[in-house]
Amino acid sequence: DAGITQSPRHKVTETGTPVTLRCHQTENHRYMYWYRQDPGHGLRLIHYSYGVKDTDKGEVSDGYSVSRSKTEDFLLTLESATSSQTSVYFCAISEPAGGHMNTEAFFGQGTRLTVV
Amino acid sequence: GQQVMQIPQYQHVQEGEDFTTYCNSSTTLSNIQWYKQRPGGHPVFLIQLVKSGEVKKQKRLTFQFGEAKKNSSLHITATQTTDVGTYFCAGRRNNFNKFYFGSGTKLNVKP
Repeated sequence: DAGITQSPRHKVTETGTPVTLRCHQTENHRYMYWYRQDPGHGLRLIHYSYGVKDTDKGEVSDGYSVSRSKTEDFLLTLESATSSQTSVYFCAISEPAGGHMNTEAFFGQGTRLTVV
Repeated sequence: GQQVMQIPQYQHVQEGEDFTTYCNSSTTLSNIQWYKQRPGGHPVFLIQLVKSGEVKKQKRLTFQFGEAKKNSSLHITATQTTDVGTYFCAGRRNNFNKFYFGSGTKLNVKP
């Protein structure tokens, strides 16, 4: 498995509290992604990063913010958690090769977040 | 809304039967990838298709990319219990390295 670590692996939090999930990689890959996985929806992209301090929105970015201050870390913050953000969150990394953008993504183990 | 549609959502087969999952996009894709996620696990890359009409095989798995690059399929011949999991397609349009995942097909294989 690629060197990707997500923390925490499990978290229960209360509605209205801020939550930060961390993704740490040791592969020096340029691209990092945050997805959420919900039954019937597959994997939906929240935010992604194409370099340090370079981020962009995905399909379901409302209520989430991200930061990438160094190559190896990509943080996902829920400013004020809601029950609809209960989900499994996956971080992924990829690196363009040979000038091509067509490269595989490596996923972390996931973080199960429950908002009560 | 969902950028890439995937059917069926679930498939239950007897071991030894074949299985196929389909992905469709309303827009032309640059390429498409396929991933497998075992129960309780994370998605793992299987293959990538880039060319129009491309067909690739991995042992019992056959992957196809449509001529118009808007649809793709994964076919498993003679399923085994080790094939259990959810199969996702992920399509990329001309937009950096951002992939849109289908909703997945959950395969259950009865021994």
